[in-house]
Amino acid sequence: GAGVSQTPSNKVTEKGKYVELRCDPISGHTALYWYRQSLGQGPEFLIYFQGTGAADDSGLPNDRFFAVRPEGSVSTLKIQRTERGDSAVYLCASSPSDSWVYGYTFGSGTRLTVV
Amino acid sequence: AQSVSQHNHHVILSEAASLELGCNYSYGGTVNLFWYVQYPGQHLQLLLKYFSGDPLVKGIKGFEAEFIKSKFSFNLRKPSVQWSDTAEYFCAVRGTNAGKSTFGDGTTLTVKP
Repeated sequence: GAGVSQTPSNKVTEKGKYVELRCDPISGHTALYWYRQSLGQGPEFLIYFQGTGAADDSGLPNDRFFAVRPEGSVSTLKIQRTERGDSAVYLCASSPSDSWVYGYTFGSGTRLTVV
Repeated sequence: AQSVSQHNHHVILSEAASLELGCNYSYGGTVNLFWYVQYPGQHLQLLLKYFSGDPLVKGIKGFEAEFIKSKFSFNLRKPSVQWSDTAEYFCAVRGTNAGKSTFGDGTTLTVKP
């Protein structure tokens, strides 16, 4: 597609529920990144994929968070047993590869609110 | 571990004033450096990047940044700001052997007409 698409744009869920956030990267971009951003802070790294595999998941805060990219295109970030502290804007970005010369193209984000 | 510090949290300028936003990083190796901008109601977008060669990098909309290795800095500059430059600006660092980038906490720039 023309840009990175994230759905939904907003998600309100109750504490303890399960949520899935979707990211559709730019066509042909093999690297895909998930970040989250809390108010007044910069994006915080969660995980990135090169192709279908997670190349670095060191930013996932705990085992309630999981992400997949089964066909090397669309990715889903999954959060189990949501907590109020999970409320943030979840950002997805893609780049042609994970080579160091590339910057990211970001999506508009999913604003997650846990009540 | 990588870290980025943006010392100015909020900068207010009048149109035509000159801009310099500070960015310092910590990383024990060769780095790539980026500035991203987020205009009100829009998503983050790349403003400029440095990965090798000339340490003075020019980006879109008249912005430039200078990489000073000895100071671990990558400050963003613009000679004359416009009201449309009102946005949040993020500096980011990426090691050459790391896919992920580390972002600073951002600087909000408000330009008064």
